[in-house]
Amino acid sequence: DQQVKQNSPSLSVQEGRISILNCDYTNSMFDYFLWYKKYPAEGPTFLISISSIKDKNEDGRFTVFLNKSAKHLSLHIVPSQPGDSAVYFCAAISYNTDKLIFGTGTRLQVFP
Amino acid sequence: EAGVTQFPSHSVIEKGQTVTLRCDPISGHDNLYWYRRVMGKEIKFLLHFVKESKQDESGMPNNRFLAERTGGTYSTLKVQPAELEDSGVYFCASSRAQGLKQFFGPGTRLTVL
Repeated sequence: DQQVKQNSPSLSVQEGRISILNCDYTNSMFDYFLWYKKYPAEGPTFLISISSIKDKNEDGRFTVFLNKSAKHLSLHIVPSQPGDSAVYFCAAISYNTDKLIFGTGTRLQVFP
Repeated sequence: EAGVTQFPSHSVIEKGQTVTLRCDPISGHDNLYWYRRVMGKEIKFLLHFVKESKQDESGMPNNRFLAERTGGTYSTLKVQPAELEDSGVYFCASSRAQGLKQFFGPGTRLTVL
């Protein structure tokens, strides 16, 4: 039973516009949510995280929003750049387990 | 600072054979994790070492998988005998402290024919 879900396998966005990647979760006990970015033939790279007690975290062009009542988070990238083209994984973690629970990923393509 | 390294990058073996994957974590990182991604699916946790001790091995699929971390430095993951469903990309990650910031290696792509 998947606890973290990314229902959109792919997303295509024009350069300069906003990219919005979505993630849903089922376990209300998660303490932190993270986004990882993955290029082909490389491992996932940490991008941004948010504590379960926050509703927004911003880092440059990347902002993560958390809606706990809906068990939903989203990653906004603005403006999108061609170098952002990658697979984005949503992940969650609980302090008492220390293991990342990942979604299936969303492939983002930013075209000129 | 060197990142997490994994060897080999690719391995193709036949069903029933044995394969050993190696992971070298970032120097000084006591925490080492193994994850696996089967084609198109989520990245799944396999196990977690703190130094040489297994902290959590709840994700190990079955007893054909054996992970070790002798001396608390590099780790190996052995699959014996390999089955078709073991194919996937095996990622290793490490972190200095338990919790968020896990740094991933490039992965080993295992194909079992």
